[in-house]
Amino acid sequence: AQSVSQHNHHVILSEAASLELGCNYSYGGTVNLFWYVQYPGQHLQLLLKYFSGDPLVKGIKGFEAEFIKSKFSFNLRKPSVQWSDTAEYFCAVNTRAGKSTFGDGTTLTVKP
Amino acid sequence: DTAVSQTPKYLVTQMGNDKSIKCEQNLGHDTMYWYKQDSKKFLKIMFSYNNKELIINETVPNRFSPKSPDKAHLNLHINSLELGDSAVYFCASSQAPGTSGGGTDTQYFGPGTRLTVL
Repeated sequence: AQSVSQHNHHVILSEAASLELGCNYSYGGTVNLFWYVQYPGQHLQLLLKYFSGDPLVKGIKGFEAEFIKSKFSFNLRKPSVQWSDTAEYFCAVNTRAGKSTFGDGTTLTVKP
Repeated sequence: DTAVSQTPKYLVTQMGNDKSIKCEQNLGHDTMYWYKQDSKKFLKIMFSYNNKELIINETVPNRFSPKSPDKAHLNLHINSLELGDSAVYFCASSQAPGTSGGGTDTQYFGPGTRLTVL
């Protein structure tokens, strides 16, 4: 069975600090990888995704993620966070069969 | 012009009651999903439908029954509600399920329905 692990449950940063959120998955077949963001009181929305090609993908609001197949990882990064980045971040994996598995989420708090 | 809509937004009810949550998408997508997000923000898939057919059915109590009258709608009916059913339920849709469509499995989420069982 596939699984997704997000290592950091709660991250607290000051504005302008750099961010890296870890995501590892376990599945032997082809996967599509996603990061979704949930701002306070809002629904989930796509931040970025990887399905093929360049393993370094860029998303909205200056976020990027790198797919490292050998490590089964898809870590999310941002060089300089802002207070408005305070949110819940979910890594997700989709398989060919259409099954979606989400990680447990990482709460990011950015102090102004 | 909301892409994925859910009704109601809030639902407060007594234990033992039966309730339904409705979901509609106007994106022309073929696949729809129901997720449960608990108080710790953990997000778990419950069901997935593709072209009105059930393709994913995770381990949920059979008190939960999804119904898809057409591709644009996926409703969730819950019988005999229990305290542990309190959560936020999100509906989502995607153009296609799975990885064969070059990223067409990106999901678009509804605003959520906050269910509170007393």
